[in-house]
Amino acid sequence: NAGVMQNPRHLVRRRGQEARLRCSPMKGHSHVYWYRQLPEEGLKFMVYLQKENIIDESGMPKERFSAEFPKEGPSILRIQQVVRGDSAAYFCASSPPRGPYNEQFFGPGTRLTVL
Amino acid sequence: SQQGEEDPQALSIQEGENATMNCSYKTSINNLQWYRQNSGRGLVHLILIRSNEREKHSGRLRVTLDTSKKSSSLLITASRAADTASYFCATAGDSGTYKYIFGTGTRLKVLA
Repeated sequence: NAGVMQNPRHLVRRRGQEARLRCSPMKGHSHVYWYRQLPEEGLKFMVYLQKENIIDESGMPKERFSAEFPKEGPSILRIQQVVRGDSAAYFCASSPPRGPYNEQFFGPGTRLTVL
Repeated sequence: SQQGEEDPQALSIQEGENATMNCSYKTSINNLQWYRQNSGRGLVHLILIRSNEREKHSGRLRVTLDTSKKSSSLLITASRAADTASYFCATAGDSGTYKYIFGTGTRLKVLA
């Protein structure tokens, strides 16, 4: 059973470009979470999605950031018009259907560098 | 809002010694998890401890949870150079267990 997959692992963008980060959850998992990690900091929750639904996007910046988890294909975190402050590691996690004690399995992350 | 905070922020020990890291949080939790992150890499899940558990073991790892003090500790016994990494605790609250709150981590360095 493959783990959570993210690609690309490293992404370099110039200011003003768009960044698209992809996440394929573990087999059988229908819940996806995105977190951001700034240098020397812990991970910060961004968004929680189920298939075709955004459940909680309270951690997402209001502008330029969007996320989706279509019926088919990976979850996408999209950052439009990137700025230097968007440089960070973006981690995706997935979990099986929710229970009282659910564990999230993390992918290897995408390291975004904005020049 | 709840927040996991680890201490110490950095720890340097000799190979073979034990390493203890602590995590404190502010509100009631459903569970607490410890993760390891090697420099520039992804997260490796170490242990999940539920709010009704007090202690858990996994190999050289021992985790305790004191909900009255809102704190947890991670003990690594007989440390190895390969244990050099950052260690994070993550808490999931009673409501919305999906929203993990991560601390800022303890950077452990094990000297050979």
